[in-house]
Amino acid sequence: GAGVSQSPSNKVTEKGKDVELRCDPISGHTALYWYRQSLGQGLEFLIYFQGNSAPDKSGLPSDRFSAERTGGSVSTLTIQRTQQEDSAVYLCASSLSAIYTEAFFGQGTRLTVV
Amino acid sequence: AQTVTQSQPEMSVQEAETVTLSCTYDTSENNYYLFWYKQPPSRQMILVIRQEAYKQQNATENRFSVNFQKAAKSFSLKISDSQLGDTAMYFCAFRSSGTSYGKLTFGQGTILTVHP
Repeated sequence: GAGVSQSPSNKVTEKGKDVELRCDPISGHTALYWYRQSLGQGLEFLIYFQGNSAPDKSGLPSDRFSAERTGGSVSTLTIQRTQQEDSAVYLCASSLSAIYTEAFFGQGTRLTVV
Repeated sequence: AQTVTQSQPEMSVQEAETVTLSCTYDTSENNYYLFWYKQPPSRQMILVIRQEAYKQQNATENRFSVNFQKAAKSFSLKISDSQLGDTAMYFCAFRSSGTSYGKLTFGQGTILTVHP
């Protein structure tokens, strides 16, 4: 596609429910990144993919968080048993490859856990 | 681990004037990349400018330029002839060229408001 696309744009969920956030990278981009931006905070790295592999998942905050990427394209970030502290904007980015320095970001998914 | 610090939570400037946003970082690496990103209310992060640490010359992109002081680990952004559309949150970011090259480490951000 023309840019990185994330869905949904906004998501409100009840505490304890599972949520799935989707990211469609720019066509041809082999590297894909997930970041979390909490209110008034900077961006916190979660995980990145090169192809379908995740060389660095060090930023996932707990085992309730997982991510996968299939076909070297779409990625899904899953949060199980959501808690209020999971409320944040989740940003996805992609780049031609992981060593390519310019990453293009999507508009994010705002997750609110009530 | 690398850290990035932006000490100015908020800045304001009059239209057409110049403003400088500060950023310092901490790393033990010699080769790395530094970036400034802009985040308008639409939430989409937009790359403003980048600097390779091995280059001594400061990067420039139209009205945006950086003052890169490697020894001081300082990377400030200067915006000249400020425009209303420059109003946004600005993030400084660090990227390793080593084994953790896949991720960006961001500062806390500076909210810039350009007044007419």
